[in-house]
Amino acid sequence: AQSVAQPEDQVNVAEGNPLTVKCTYSVSGNPYLFWYVQYPNRGLQFLLKYITGDNLVKGSYGFEAEFNKSQTSFHLKKPSALVSDSALYFCAVRDTLYTGGFKTIFGAGTRLFVKA
Amino acid sequence: DGGITQSPKYLFRKEGQNVTLSCEQNLNHDAMYWYRQDPGQGLRLIYYSQIVNDFQKGDIAEGYSVSREKKESFPLTVTSAQKNPTAFYLCASSSLSGLQDNEQFFGPGTRLTVL
Repeated sequence: AQSVAQPEDQVNVAEGNPLTVKCTYSVSGNPYLFWYVQYPNRGLQFLLKYITGDNLVKGSYGFEAEFNKSQTSFHLKKPSALVSDSALYFCAVRDTLYTGGFKTIFGAGTRLFVKA
Repeated sequence: DGGITQSPKYLFRKEGQNVTLSCEQNLNHDAMYWYRQDPGQGLRLIYYSQIVNDFQKGDIAEGYSVSREKKESFPLTVTSAQKNPTAFYLCASSSLSGLQDNEQFFGPGTRLTVL
């Protein structure tokens, strides 16, 4: 079975400081990993994904994420936070090993607050 | 503009009524999905479809029904059997590359409130 966990309900950071939003996962095969962002009363927007290859993935709006297989983690990072980064962030995983259906599982979300 | 649209944006329903939420995409995507979002619970998959005239139940399909008669359209009906339908509903689509699906594109959502 596949699962994904975002251990922090909320992350607070000052503008200009680096930010990290944590994500860990569990799959039977190899993972496809995704990060999405949601602004209030809107749908989710894709930020970045890891399929294979380089463990450091760069995405939209200056975000990046590092795939760590030994720690089964895919933390989202940004070197310098902006107030406009304040939003709800979702990590998602899909198992490459067929287990009766190719479904993407989403974490519960982490709310990021960036203070000016 | 290519994209995925949902209508209506807000929907109010009386108890015992069925309602249908619309989802249309012009991205030529094979796969389409319906999710329910409740505070603190993330997204939960209701139904998904990878091809026309075929769909599969997700994790919380009870009280919901779907159809996929056209590639572009994937309407969701919330029936009176759904005990707690008040939620934010999100439709998504993605392309399929062999056995691999890619990132999902989401619509703006429909907020359903049962009065």
